[in-house]
Amino acid sequence: QITLKESGPTLVKPTQTLTLTCTFSGFSLSTSGVGVGWIRQPPGKALEWLALIYWNDDKRYSPSLKSRLTITKDTSKNQVVLTMTNMDPVDTATYYCAPQGVRVVSDAFDIWGQGTMVTVSS
Amino acid sequence: SYVLTQPPSVSVAPGQTARITCGGNNIGSKSVHWYQQKPGQAPVLVVYDDSDRPSGIPERFSGSNSGNTATLTISRVEAGDEADYYCQVWDSSSDHPDYVFGTGTKVTVL
Repeated sequence: QITLKESGPTLVKPTQTLTLTCTFSGFSLSTSGVGVGWIRQPPGKALEWLALIYWNDDKRYSPSLKSRLTITKDTSKNQVVLTMTNMDPVDTATYYCAPQGVRVVSDAFDIWGQGTMVTVSS
Repeated sequence: SYVLTQPPSVSVAPGQTARITCGGNNIGSKSVHWYQQKPGQAPVLVVYDDSDRPSGIPERFSGSNSGNTATLTISRVEAGDEADYYCQVWDSSSDHPDYVFGTGTKVTVL
């Protein structure tokens, strides 16, 4: 059974750095072709892709947010960590992690975590 | 940047067919994925690579993609299909590759 769970602070202040952890089970990020991505969704708005890391440590970032994002993995712990600097109230959103290439051989995000809501406010 | 445009809402009676469009420049040359999101829940992949279904997704969900429009079709609509639906592609056509999501369509079952 494949599961993912996002964790991190529920409230951050403007200008602070956000660190989110995705802990997963049921697959390995050392398997060829597998990736784990982060996607966010502001309240009442559409989904927005943030970053993705592959089994070979290749990384991709949203062009609009690239300067603020860092994605890393710890294969031994089955975790992927996303950091986002200089947080702003517009970054208030539910943050999801989701893998690629696990259930289907595709670049679709095939299973999603439950998400974690992050509010940016002073 | 690449833009995917969806109608904000689609209404359909139970048992009828719902068609949700996703418009993008030459989207027919890309692989399109579709997600269903019910209120308060995480998205669920319902169609990938234009027309394939993950295991556990009913055959009532189908997809097509050609030219500048991709379409998700839900046949024999049920009350449980009421949700937001998002299309998504990988756009590598520019110097800044990006996973792009559509604007989302709310499906209402009358």
